[in-house]
Amino acid sequence: SQKIEQNSEALNIQEGKTATLTCNYTNYSPAYLQWYRQDPGRGPVFLLLIRENEKEKRKERLKVTFDTTLKQSLFHITASQPADSATYLCALAGGYGQNFVFGPGTRLSVLP
Amino acid sequence: GAVVSQHPSWVICKSGTSVKIECRSLDFQATTMFWYRQFPKQSLMLMATSNEGSKATYEQGVEKDKFLINHASLTLSTLTVTSAHPEDSSFYICSALRSGYNEQFFGPGTRLTVL
Repeated sequence: SQKIEQNSEALNIQEGKTATLTCNYTNYSPAYLQWYRQDPGRGPVFLLLIRENEKEKRKERLKVTFDTTLKQSLFHITASQPADSATYLCALAGGYGQNFVFGPGTRLSVLP
Repeated sequence: GAVVSQHPSWVICKSGTSVKIECRSLDFQATTMFWYRQFPKQSLMLMATSNEGSKATYEQGVEKDKFLINHASLTLSTLTVTSAHPEDSSFYICSALRSGYNEQFFGPGTRLTVL
């Protein structure tokens, strides 16, 4: 069955450092992968999308890589800030309009 | 742009009653909407995919007669939890797929508590 894993349930880093979150999947061939941010008691907010034929995407302090051979995506937040503290979810989709499968999420805490 | 709203944001009901949750795309049309359920400290679990004008597609293990979904227009989908029980207490989140885009836009969620 399809399985998505995210590196750790919780990650603590110091302000100013780069946070790296991992998303690994098995038994799946996604057409694209997305990263979302979710704050407690709120719905997820879309951050970045990367397609299967793309290696890397950037948006301001965010960077996502996608390795379909390793079946892995890395999500980086550079110059992290306490405001970046949240749960980050990766989600895979087989194609446009198809349902998304979410990973369990990683709770990031950026310490001042 | 691309705002999705949910109503109500929270609801408390007695066991055995039915609760309707609305999901609206405010500034775009959504032919497809998704309904998720999220238990504390867990990820989102897809319940069903709702396509405008057709029957919803339910995920395995989700009772379609208990969780009624209606997607009557391009901007509105409703989820009705029928004969709610305490184990139905959860955070229900909808999302809308914007036509021509690959990203889902999520609503703020509805916290359901069944006493």
